[in-house]
Amino acid sequence: DAGVIQSPRHEVTEMGQEVTLRCKPISGHNSLFWYRQTMMRGLELLIYFNNNVPIDDSGMPEDRFSAKMPNASFSTLKIQPSEPRDSAVYFCASSLRYVEPQHFGDGTRLSIL
Amino acid sequence: GQQVMQIPQYQHVQEGEDFTTYCNSSTTLSNIQWYKQRPGGHPVFLIQLVKSGEVKKQKRLTFQFGEAKKNSSLHITATQTTDVGTYFCAGFSSGTYKYIFGTGTRLKVLA
Repeated sequence: DAGVIQSPRHEVTEMGQEVTLRCKPISGHNSLFWYRQTMMRGLELLIYFNNNVPIDDSGMPEDRFSAKMPNASFSTLKIQPSEPRDSAVYFCASSLRYVEPQHFGDGTRLSIL
Repeated sequence: GQQVMQIPQYQHVQEGEDFTTYCNSSTTLSNIQWYKQRPGGHPVFLIQLVKSGEVKKQKRLTFQFGEAKKNSSLHITATQTTDVGTYFCAGFSSGTYKYIFGTGTRLKVLA
């Protein structure tokens, strides 16, 4: 079975550019999560969706960040404009239901110069 | 707000020694999950504990959920180099309806 698929695996871009991260959850999973991981702040939940509906976006750092889930098999996390402090590894995860174990993708390593 | 702390932050052990990481929540948890992240990898689910005082074993790994459901521990017996990585707990509070990941314990095993 395919796991959670994220793209791109690596992204290097200049400050001010728009960045779009993509995620395909495991088929049949109803919950999808976006996390950010840094050495300083650890693993932070940014937003999660249940049945394609955003439930809690209180972890989204600021208005520069937005996330969408137009259908059950695709989600995007967008940063516009990007800043150097956004550099981190961004993980997408999905679970059968919200309280079930989460399956993580390989992550996107984002570097903003 | 809800906080989940783990201690220690780092642990270096000789291969064959035991290792324990502790997870402490500021609020009562409905359940707790444990994940392992290898260097350069992504978190991988290990186990979920739900009942007060629950103990579960996976080969050399023993997981416990405290009686008050505010703390948990992961114990590894006779560590091996394959145990290297960061171990995270993730506590779920029915009050906040959120999973909060702990700060993680980074384990290094010296051969």
